[in-house]
Amino acid sequence: AAGVIQSPRHLIKEKRETATLKCYPIPRHDTVYWYQQGPGQDPQFLISFYEKMQSDKGSIPDRFSAQQFSDYHSELNMSSLELGDSALYFCASSPGAAGELFFGEGSRLTVL
Amino acid sequence: GQQLNQSPQSMFIQEGEDVSMNCTSSSIFNTWLWYKQDPGEGPVLLIALYKAGELTSNGRLTAQFGITRKDSFLNISASIPSDVGIYFCAGQKGGGNQFYFGTGTSLTVIP
Repeated sequence: AAGVIQSPRHLIKEKRETATLKCYPIPRHDTVYWYQQGPGQDPQFLISFYEKMQSDKGSIPDRFSAQQFSDYHSELNMSSLELGDSALYFCASSPGAAGELFFGEGSRLTVL
Repeated sequence: GQQLNQSPQSMFIQEGEDVSMNCTSSSIFNTWLWYKQDPGEGPVLLIALYKAGELTSNGRLTAQFGITRKDSFLNISASIPSDVGIYFCAGQKGGGNQFYFGTGTSLTVIP
């Protein structure tokens, strides 16, 4: 069965650079969530979208922005990268606003 | 801030033993999910719970949605080496809202 696809899987950036992560949800899933996970920590919620509209917002820095497109894929844009942004970034999709959450394999961002 | 307290933080057990872990909160949740995560990989959904008191099984795994809606429990029976990993609970208060994650339980199974 198709799963959540994230790209790129690995990304290395310098401080103050920008990065864009992409997420392709499971077909017919209309809800997308973004999470950030530091080493040894639990996933921290950043932002979510339902039917292309922002549905909830968590601890997403002002330097980050995200959107969900008409084909339901989502992109997380990160600017002015800091060392502390190094983490695993997960996208998850759900068939509706209140349903099971399925995670992608994650994008590992390293900021040097 | 952290809303879900998960315990125990870590467990070291012998193969074949049963495992119990729980997740508690001061808030009420409408949905509880349980995940297993291996290092560097995405969390894999194990069990989903939608009703207070609900008891759901998935093979050797059984999870329960607490009656107060403020807690959930996960049991693993007859543990095997591939059960090793970090287990997370996640709770959602309402549709469209974020899922809060617990602090995780690290499980080590000794053959």
